[in-house]
Amino acid sequence: DQQVKQNSPSLSVQEGRISILNCDYTNSMFDYFLWYKKYPAEGPTFLISISSIKDKNEDGRFTVFLNKSAKHLSLHIVPSQPGDSAVYFCAASSGVSGSARQLTFGSGTQLTVLP
Amino acid sequence: GAVVSQHPSRVICKSGTSVKIECRSLDFQATTMFWYRQFPKQSLMLMATSNEGSKATYEQGVEKDKFLINHASLTLSTLTVTSAHPEDSSFYICSARGGGGLSSYNEQFFGPGTRLTVL
Repeated sequence: DQQVKQNSPSLSVQEGRISILNCDYTNSMFDYFLWYKKYPAEGPTFLISISSIKDKNEDGRFTVFLNKSAKHLSLHIVPSQPGDSAVYFCAASSGVSGSARQLTFGSGTQLTVLP
Repeated sequence: GAVVSQHPSRVICKSGTSVKIECRSLDFQATTMFWYRQFPKQSLMLMATSNEGSKATYEQGVEKDKFLINHASLTLSTLTVTSAHPEDSSFYICSARGGGGLSSYNEQFFGPGTRLTVL
């Protein structure tokens, strides 16, 4: 049972336009969400995160939106650049006792930014 | 940002041998380290969680006698794949989390991964 889902395995966007990556979750105990970027044969790189007490967090070109009622979050990248082409993973964690703040990952979305 | 290294980056071994992978936090003390496994075009699957000085906690379905984890210091954790078989071939990634300072408690910083190929 996937607790974190990224339903779009791939997304192509023109350079300069906005990229929107989506993520849904089912576990209502999740209270912290993160986005990671990953290149082939490399470890994930942390991008941006958001606590469940917020609905938006912005860092430069990256903005994460959280809709708790819909159990949905999204990552917006604007403007998109060719160097943004990578696999993006959504991850979630909960503060439930004993959870050690483990991360549960989605299956990833391959973003391709076309020049 | 926090830097995590892994060694080796790539290893090829014969079936039946054991392979040790090291994970180091270079500029912060990692109270907790995590080991993941990723199959091609799939997500990262958590294998185990290790806290410095205590036994690792393994996820369901992960054999603790096959994947030995040692977290002897605040900057080093090792994963040993014992009696490796071809089905153990995968991309193994570690992550580290500190108690504060450079590393937020909520964030994990990942190593570059180790590609294991068992012949």
